[in-house]
Amino acid sequence: AQSVTQPDIHITVSEGASLELRCNYSYGATPYLFWYVQSPGQGLQLLLKYFSGDTLVQGIKGFEAEFKRSQSSFNLRKPSVHWSDAAEYFCAVGGPQFYFGTGTSLTVIP
Amino acid sequence: GAVVSQHPSRVICKSGTSVKIECRSLDFQATTMFWYRQFPKKSLMLMATSNEGSKATYEQGVEKDKFLINHASLTLSTLTVTSAHPEDSSFYICSARLGNYEQYFGPGTRLTVT
Repeated sequence: AQSVTQPDIHITVSEGASLELRCNYSYGATPYLFWYVQSPGQGLQLLLKYFSGDTLVQGIKGFEAEFKRSQSSFNLRKPSVHWSDAAEYFCAVGGPQFYFGTGTSLTVIP
Repeated sequence: GAVVSQHPSRVICKSGTSVKIECRSLDFQATTMFWYRQFPKKSLMLMATSNEGSKATYEQGVEKDKFLINHASLTLSTLTVTSAHPEDSSFYICSARLGNYEQYFGPGTRLTVT
């Protein structure tokens, strides 16, 4: 069955520190992988996506993610977090239909 | 590019009334749109898949007679919550599919039923 797991419900980091948000997936076919960010009361904004090719993908706002097939993971990283990065982050896998993780809430402390 | 709008952004209605939410793809055509519901501090729950010119496909447990979906054009899908009750209060998000695998999301509609 298709599923996405985001093990960390909530993460707190200091501004300027590095960030890694974890995502593990279960998918029967070649996965198409996405990371979205959601600010309170807003819709979802696409940060980056992986379809094929280079397993390290770059996204907007300085984010990157690495696809590791052997670990069924697609972790999101950022080398230096800004206060404006505080939001909810969702990992999704799928093709015609998406399966979302439960989200990771990021708090950034000054 | 790939902008999706929703209207209204917020709506308050009385119990027993119906409310319509519009989802539009502004700069691309979408034969398929999706409707999600999001509970506080929860992930998105897919309610239905809306296909232009045909009936929507509803996920298990979603009442199709309560959540009416119409996808009359390649840029517009509507969700009508009929005979709304307080338990229908939620954040509703639509998305439009671009190509085979990408979805672009609207800003969401906060529905409050009093």
